[in-house]
Amino acid sequence: DTAVSQTPKYLVTQMGNDKSIKCEQNLGHDTMYWYKQDSKKFLKIMFSYNNKELIINETVPNRFSPKSPDKAHLNLHINSLELGDSAVYFCASSQAPGDSYEQYFGPGTRLTVT
Amino acid sequence: GQSLEQPSEVTAVEGAIVQINCTYQTSGFYGLSWYQQHDGGAPTFLSYNALDGLEETGRFSSFLSRSDSYGYLLLQELQMKDSASYFCAVLRVAGKSTFGDGTTLTVKP
Repeated sequence: DTAVSQTPKYLVTQMGNDKSIKCEQNLGHDTMYWYKQDSKKFLKIMFSYNNKELIINETVPNRFSPKSPDKAHLNLHINSLELGDSAVYFCASSQAPGDSYEQYFGPGTRLTVT
Repeated sequence: GQSLEQPSEVTAVEGAIVQINCTYQTSGFYGLSWYQQHDGGAPTFLSYNALDGLEETGRFSSFLSRSDSYGYLLLQELQMKDSASYFCAVLRVAGKSTFGDGTTLTVKP
C-alpha cells in the first residue's frame, strides 16, 4: 500500500508554462507539506497544511500556489515556470503539526524546465 | 534566524562505526530528527530526540545535548547499503522542521 503518492514522477516542460503536481496520502494524517530539493540536495520547506488550512508559507514566489481540497490531498500549482524551478519536489505528511518531526515523504516529482 | 551545520561528506569502510554531527542555532527548539535519503529516493525518517541522551534503534543511534545545541547520528557495523545522504532536522514551532544541508556518507568495501 502506497502511503504518500505523487503524480507525475517526472515532468519536463518549457519556460513560461503552468503545471501542477498532485499529492495524496492514505495514512490518515492531518498535516501535509511541500518541499523543494535542488541539485545540491538542499531540502527546503515551501508550504504546510493542517486539515486543509495553510499553516506554513515560506518565502516562495507567488507563482507557486498550493491547494488542499481535503486533508488527504495537497496539490502544487506553478505558474510561469522558470529555469530555476527545476528541482525535485517532495510531498510529505505527518500525523499532526506537532508530529512534524516524523514525516512520511512521497517519491518525489522531478521537474525539469527547459 | 536558525542554522544547522553538518559535515558535507563522510567516508568510512564496511563494518566500521561513523558519527555524523549536527549543531544548530534556533529559537523555539522542540527536538532533532534524522532522515536518510538514498540517491534517487525519498527521505525516510530514522530517529527523533526531544530529550538529552542517546536513543538506540538497531545499528543506528541518535544523541542530543540541548545545552550544547548539538546532536549526532551514530551508525554501527556499517554496510554498503548505508551509503546515502543523512539529514538532521530541527523541529521548531509546531509544524515546522528545518532541515540541514545533508551529509553524504560513502561506505567503502
